[in-house]
Amino acid sequence: GNSVTQMEGPVTLSEEAFLTINCTYTATGYPSLFWYVQYPGEGLQLLLKATKADDKGSNKGFEATYRKETTSFHLEKGSVQVSDSAVYFCALSDLDSNYQLIWGAGTKLIIKP
Amino acid sequence: EAGVAQSPRYKIIEKRQSVAFWCNPISGHATLYWYQQILGQGPKLLIQFQNNGVVDDSQLPKDRFSAERLKGVDSTLKIQPAKLEDSAVYLCASSLDRFGSYNEQFFGPGTRLTVL
Repeated sequence: GNSVTQMEGPVTLSEEAFLTINCTYTATGYPSLFWYVQYPGEGLQLLLKATKADDKGSNKGFEATYRKETTSFHLEKGSVQVSDSAVYFCALSDLDSNYQLIWGAGTKLIIKP
Repeated sequence: EAGVAQSPRYKIIEKRQSVAFWCNPISGHATLYWYQQILGQGPKLLIQFQNNGVVDDSQLPKDRFSAERLKGVDSTLKIQPAKLEDSAVYLCASSLDRFGSYNEQFFGPGTRLTVL
């Protein structure tokens, strides 16, 4: 079945550091890929998405490129801020999952000033 | 545009008690989802509604959990009786529809349940 694997956290960085959170997926079809963010005490928010190979999703300085050849959708940001501290979830949906979201376990990001 | 509303935000109960959560989705959204999120894990889908019909409840523990969306708008999720392992955040989400570009899900703030 479909699955999503994320790098384990927590990831701790200093402000202005470069961020990469790895995400790889297993899917038989052509999934759409998502990054959601969960700030402390809040619900999940869609951060960015990509619906086909080589698409790049971007929002709030974050980017992720849909790489079908490596089945990856890594999240990157060039210069993180303390306010980026949150839990980040990678997810996919496709026909095989009846378009339901298949979630990774989440990666907690801690940014120190 | 108002987001997904949930209440209560927090609930503490003792095991074997009952509890109910309420969700009001974004206006016009046909699809509604209830998730259980245990600390340190990704959300687990409990039940998915399309209007007032159930699309998928395969992971809902039906011996103790029930959910309804009678008029195809707001929804309630009930646990009766609660167990210690039900301690989690219960998330409600909605989307315009189930398929394609319409299935982007918008989440409410969640209800944090603690079972003692």
